[in-house]
Amino acid sequence: DGGITQSPKYLFRKEGQNVTLSCEQNLNHDAMYWYRQDPGQGLRLIYYSQIVNDFQKGDIAEGYSVSREKKESFPLTVTSAQKNPTAFYLCASSSSGTGANNYGYTFGSGTRLTVV
Amino acid sequence: GQQVMQIPQYQHVQEGEDFTTYCNSSTTLSNIQWYKQRPGGHPVFLIQLVKSGEVKKQKRLTFQFGEAKKNSSLHITATQTTDVGTYFCAGYRGYSTLTFGKGTMLLVSP
Repeated sequence: DGGITQSPKYLFRKEGQNVTLSCEQNLNHDAMYWYRQDPGQGLRLIYYSQIVNDFQKGDIAEGYSVSREKKESFPLTVTSAQKNPTAFYLCASSSSGTGANNYGYTFGSGTRLTVV
Repeated sequence: GQQVMQIPQYQHVQEGEDFTTYCNSSTTLSNIQWYKQRPGGHPVFLIQLVKSGEVKKQKRLTFQFGEAKKNSSLHITATQTTDVGTYFCAGYRGYSTLTFGKGTMLLVSP
């Protein structure tokens, strides 16, 4: 079955450490996204990529980095510069399109990151 | 920048009662999408509305897009416990990324 796989499901990080969250999709989608979800805050966009080897900052990119070396993969690194990293991280993908031809996002099951 | 506001933030209903959540944008939207996130789960795409005044139905769910394409609503008739979750609306910003509302959490008591 096609879909998006995020790993790990739970991740614990010590302060000062960098950690990388994995996101892989086999939907042949061009665009991929990373969102952060905090209680009562909805989903906030961290980074997005519409094509391989290109990505753009979202609303809260500070303290995060990404790469898009393959169409299927869009890993997110949470660096030590991110002051409040404890959150639920969601990866999503979609077919490319504009305006009325936009498509719905397919989300992964998420990674819950906790700083200990 | 574009903001998408959702109300109410939270609603608790008895099973069988109706439920409505409203979504308002500060700017005109090219289209609007709705998602449902079950407790402990991830958002799942429900529907997209594109045309001004558009109304779509999915069983007990009715989705509307305003005439000015700045607001939308989701109405659930005769709620069931399976409807529990958070409902998000989202509008496209600059044709490339979605801006999500903060969601409406629905709790249904049997």
